[in-house]
Amino acid sequence: AQTVTQSQPEMSVQEAETVTLSCTYDTSESDYYLFWYKQPPSRQMILVIRQEAYKQQNATENRFSVNFQKAAKSFSLKISDSQLGDAAMYFCAYRPIPTGANSKLTFGKGITLSVRP
Amino acid sequence: DAGVIQSPRHEVTEMGQEVTLRCKPISGHNSLFWYRQTMMRGLELLIYFNNNVPIDDSGMPEDRFSAKMPNASFSTLKIQPSEPRDSAVYFCASSLRGGNTDTQYFGPGTRLTVL
Repeated sequence: AQTVTQSQPEMSVQEAETVTLSCTYDTSESDYYLFWYKQPPSRQMILVIRQEAYKQQNATENRFSVNFQKAAKSFSLKISDSQLGDAAMYFCAYRPIPTGANSKLTFGKGITLSVRP
Repeated sequence: DAGVIQSPRHEVTEMGQEVTLRCKPISGHNSLFWYRQTMMRGLELLIYFNNNVPIDDSGMPEDRFSAKMPNASFSTLKIQPSEPRDSAVYFCASSLRGGNTDTQYFGPGTRLTVL
Protein backbone atom coordinates (compact mmCIF):
# COMPACT_ATOMS: atom_id res chain seq x y z
CA ALA A 1 0.00 0.00 0.00
CA GLN A 2 1.11 3.53 -0.69
CA THR A 3 1.97 5.78 2.23
CA VAL A 4 2.81 9.47 2.45
CA THR A 5 4.83 10.81 5.37
CA GLN A 6 5.13 14.39 6.49
CA SER A 7 7.32 14.15 9.56
CA GLN A 8 7.34 17.83 10.53
CA PRO A 9 4.03 18.80 12.15
CA GLU A 10 4.84 22.51 12.26
CA MET A 11 7.20 25.01 10.69
CA SER A 12 7.69 28.73 10.90
CA VAL A 13 9.23 31.19 8.45
CA GLN A 14 9.98 34.90 8.45
CA GLU A 15 8.09 36.93 5.88
CA ALA A 16 10.06 37.25 2.62
CA GLU A 17 12.28 34.30 3.51
CA THR A 18 12.31 30.83 1.95
CA VAL A 19 11.00 27.67 3.58
CA THR A 20 11.05 24.03 2.54
CA LEU A 21 8.39 21.53 3.57
CA SER A 22 9.36 17.87 3.47
CA CYS A 23 7.43 14.86 2.22
CA THR A 24 8.38 11.26 1.58
CA TYR A 25 6.28 8.50 0.14
CA ASP A 26 6.40 4.79 -0.41
CA THR A 27 5.21 3.04 -3.53
CA SER A 28 6.09 0.16 -5.80
CA GLU A 29 4.70 1.97 -8.83
CA SER A 30 6.99 3.58 -11.39
CA ASP A 31 4.51 6.13 -12.71
CA TYR A 32 2.39 8.33 -10.50
CA TYR A 33 1.46 11.91 -9.62
CA LEU A 34 2.42 13.92 -6.58
CA PHE A 35 0.60 16.98 -5.30
CA TRP A 36 0.86 19.68 -2.68
CA TYR A 37 -2.42 21.10 -1.38
CA LYS A 38 -2.82 24.17 0.83
CA GLN A 39 -5.54 24.43 3.44
CA PRO A 40 -5.87 27.95 4.93
CA PRO A 41 -8.07 28.67 7.96
CA SER A 42 -11.07 28.81 5.62
CA ARG A 43 -10.61 25.00 5.28
CA GLN A 44 -10.71 25.16 1.49
CA MET A 45 -8.29 22.65 -0.05
CA ILE A 46 -6.36 24.48 -2.75
CA LEU A 47 -4.05 22.80 -5.23
CA VAL A 48 -0.61 24.39 -5.05
CA ILE A 49 1.49 22.32 -7.41
CA ARG A 50 1.66 18.90 -9.05
CA GLN A 51 4.45 16.73 -10.37
CA GLU A 52 4.38 13.84 -12.80
CA ALA A 53 6.83 11.14 -11.75
CA TYR A 54 7.92 10.45 -15.31
CA LYS A 55 9.11 14.04 -15.72
CA GLN A 56 12.61 14.70 -14.46
CA GLN A 57 12.12 18.45 -14.43
CA ASN A 58 10.90 19.83 -11.12
CA ALA A 59 7.53 21.59 -11.26
CA THR A 60 7.41 25.32 -10.59
CA GLU A 61 4.42 27.56 -10.02
CA ASN A 62 5.37 31.18 -9.33
CA ARG A 63 6.90 31.26 -5.80
CA PHE A 64 6.30 27.55 -5.29
CA SER A 65 8.66 24.87 -6.55
CA VAL A 66 9.35 21.26 -5.73
CA ASN A 67 12.45 19.18 -5.28
CA PHE A 68 11.46 15.78 -6.61
CA GLN A 69 13.92 12.99 -5.89
CA LYS A 70 12.37 9.86 -7.37
CA ALA A 71 15.01 7.41 -6.22
CA ALA A 72 14.78 8.71 -2.67
CA LYS A 73 10.97 8.95 -2.90
CA SER A 74 11.13 12.50 -1.67
CA PHE A 75 8.93 15.40 -2.74
CA SER A 76 9.62 18.65 -0.90
CA LEU A 77 7.90 21.99 -1.45
CA LYS A 78 9.90 25.21 -1.48
CA ILE A 79 8.12 28.49 -0.89
CA SER A 80 10.17 31.54 -1.85
CA ASP A 81 9.56 35.10 -0.70
CA SER A 82 7.07 33.87 1.92
CA GLN A 83 3.97 35.98 2.40
CA LEU A 84 1.54 36.24 5.29
CA GLY A 85 -1.10 34.63 3.11
CA ASP A 86 1.03 31.50 2.83
CA ALA A 87 0.21 30.62 6.43
CA ALA A 88 -1.82 27.43 6.23
CA MET A 89 -1.72 23.70 6.56
CA TYR A 90 0.04 21.99 3.66
CA PHE A 91 -0.71 18.44 2.56
CA CYS A 92 1.42 16.25 0.36
CA ALA A 93 -0.54 13.71 -1.69
CA TYR A 94 0.21 10.76 -3.96
CA ARG A 95 -1.87 9.21 -6.70
CA PRO A 96 -0.99 6.36 -9.05
CA ILE A 97 -1.50 6.76 -12.77
CA PRO A 98 -5.08 5.57 -13.21
CA THR A 99 -5.20 1.92 -14.13
CA GLY A 100 -8.59 0.39 -14.22
CA ALA A 101 -10.62 2.53 -11.87
CA ASN A 102 -7.94 3.48 -9.37
CA SER A 103 -7.85 7.24 -8.85
CA LYS A 104 -7.33 7.32 -5.09
CA LEU A 105 -5.34 10.15 -3.51
CA THR A 106 -3.28 9.24 -0.45
CA PHE A 107 -2.57 12.22 1.81
CA GLY A 108 0.08 12.87 4.40
CA LYS A 109 -0.87 14.15 7.85
CA GLY A 110 -0.10 17.72 6.89
CA ILE A 111 2.23 20.41 8.18
CA THR A 112 1.17 23.71 9.71
CA LEU A 113 3.15 26.64 8.36
CA SER A 114 3.16 29.95 10.18
CA VAL A 115 4.62 33.13 8.70
CA ARG A 116 6.14 35.73 11.04
CA PRO A 117 5.75 39.37 9.98
CA ASP B 1 -16.69 28.16 -14.09
CA ALA B 2 -17.97 27.44 -10.59
CA GLY B 3 -15.92 25.10 -8.48
CA VAL B 4 -17.22 22.16 -6.49
CA ILE B 5 -20.26 23.23 -4.50
CA GLN B 6 -21.14 21.69 -1.15
CA SER B 7 -24.09 22.26 1.12
CA PRO B 8 -24.65 22.93 3.86
CA ARG B 9 -21.41 24.60 4.95
CA HIS B 10 -22.18 23.92 8.58
CA GLU B 11 -24.48 21.36 10.15
CA VAL B 12 -25.21 20.88 13.82
CA THR B 13 -27.44 17.98 14.75
CA GLU B 14 -28.24 15.72 17.64
CA MET B 15 -27.14 12.15 18.01
CA GLY B 16 -29.50 9.76 16.27
CA GLN B 17 -30.64 12.20 13.62
CA GLU B 18 -30.20 11.68 9.91
CA VAL B 19 -27.71 13.95 8.17
CA THR B 20 -27.48 14.50 4.41
CA LEU B 21 -24.54 16.27 2.83
CA ARG B 22 -24.74 17.43 -0.76
CA CYS B 23 -22.23 17.98 -3.51
CA LYS B 24 -22.31 19.39 -7.02
CA PRO B 25 -19.11 18.56 -8.92
CA ILE B 26 -17.46 20.75 -11.51
CA SER B 27 -19.38 20.55 -14.76
CA GLY B 28 -17.82 18.01 -17.10
CA HIS B 29 -15.96 16.12 -14.41
CA ASN B 30 -16.65 12.41 -14.33
CA SER B 31 -15.12 11.35 -11.00
CA LEU B 32 -16.36 12.37 -7.57
CA PHE B 33 -14.80 11.75 -4.18
CA TRP B 34 -16.01 12.08 -0.59
CA TYR B 35 -13.40 12.69 2.13
CA ARG B 36 -13.58 13.11 5.87
CA GLN B 37 -11.08 15.21 7.83
CA THR B 38 -10.52 14.91 11.57
CA MET B 39 -7.66 15.93 13.83
CA MET B 40 -6.99 12.34 14.82
CA ARG B 41 -7.15 10.64 11.43
CA GLY B 42 -6.38 13.41 8.98
CA LEU B 43 -7.93 13.21 5.50
CA GLU B 44 -9.61 9.92 4.71
CA LEU B 45 -11.21 8.88 1.44
CA LEU B 46 -14.67 7.51 2.14
CA ILE B 47 -15.89 6.63 -1.34
CA TYR B 48 -15.45 7.62 -4.93
CA PHE B 49 -17.54 7.41 -8.07
CA ASN B 50 -16.58 7.20 -11.70
CA ASN B 51 -19.29 8.03 -14.22
CA ASN B 52 -21.83 7.95 -11.38
CA VAL B 53 -20.88 4.39 -10.39
CA PRO B 54 -19.36 3.74 -6.95
CA ILE B 55 -15.88 2.33 -7.52
CA ASP B 56 -14.37 2.02 -4.08
CA ASP B 57 -16.32 2.37 -0.84
CA SER B 58 -13.79 0.64 1.37
CA GLY B 59 -13.31 3.84 3.33
CA MET B 60 -16.93 4.09 4.41
CA PRO B 61 -16.72 3.54 8.16
CA GLU B 62 -19.87 1.50 8.66
CA ASP B 63 -23.36 0.83 7.45
CA ARG B 64 -24.61 4.07 8.92
CA PHE B 65 -22.89 5.83 6.02
CA SER B 66 -24.23 5.71 2.49
CA ALA B 67 -23.51 7.69 -0.66
CA LYS B 68 -25.36 8.08 -3.93
CA MET B 69 -24.73 9.76 -7.23
CA PRO B 70 -28.01 9.74 -9.17
CA ASN B 71 -26.59 11.84 -12.01
CA ALA B 72 -23.39 13.49 -13.15
CA SER B 73 -24.12 16.75 -11.35
CA PHE B 74 -25.19 15.66 -7.89
CA SER B 75 -24.11 13.41 -5.05
CA THR B 76 -25.19 12.89 -1.46
CA LEU B 77 -23.52 11.45 1.60
CA LYS B 78 -25.95 10.32 4.25
CA ILE B 79 -25.35 9.36 7.85
CA GLN B 80 -28.19 7.59 9.63
CA PRO B 81 -28.20 7.54 12.59
CA SER B 82 -25.51 10.10 13.33
CA GLU B 83 -23.15 9.77 16.31
CA PRO B 84 -20.86 12.30 18.03
CA ARG B 85 -17.78 10.55 16.59
CA ASP B 86 -19.02 11.47 13.10
CA SER B 87 -18.20 15.11 13.86
CA ALA B 88 -15.70 16.17 11.21
CA VAL B 89 -15.27 18.23 8.07
CA TYR B 90 -16.54 16.40 5.01
CA PHE B 91 -15.08 17.32 1.65
CA CYS B 92 -16.30 16.54 -1.81
CA ALA B 93 -13.85 16.64 -4.72
CA SER B 94 -14.18 16.07 -8.43
CA SER B 95 -11.84 15.37 -11.31
CA LEU B 96 -11.83 14.64 -15.01
CA ARG B 97 -10.77 11.04 -15.31
CA GLY B 98 -8.64 10.76 -18.42
CA GLY B 99 -7.76 14.43 -18.30
CA ASN B 100 -4.18 15.65 -18.35
CA THR B 101 -3.44 14.90 -14.74
CA ASP B 102 -6.75 13.79 -13.30
CA THR B 103 -6.31 16.45 -10.63
CA GLN B 104 -8.90 16.55 -7.88
CA TYR B 105 -10.51 19.87 -7.05
CA PHE B 106 -12.08 20.23 -3.64
CA GLY B 107 -15.23 21.91 -2.44
CA PRO B 108 -15.27 24.18 0.62
CA GLY B 109 -16.31 21.35 2.94
CA THR B 110 -19.18 20.80 5.34
CA ARG B 111 -18.39 21.07 9.03
CA LEU B 112 -20.59 18.55 10.82
CA THR B 113 -21.11 18.65 14.56
CA VAL B 114 -23.11 15.87 16.19
CA LEU B 115 -24.09 16.64 19.76
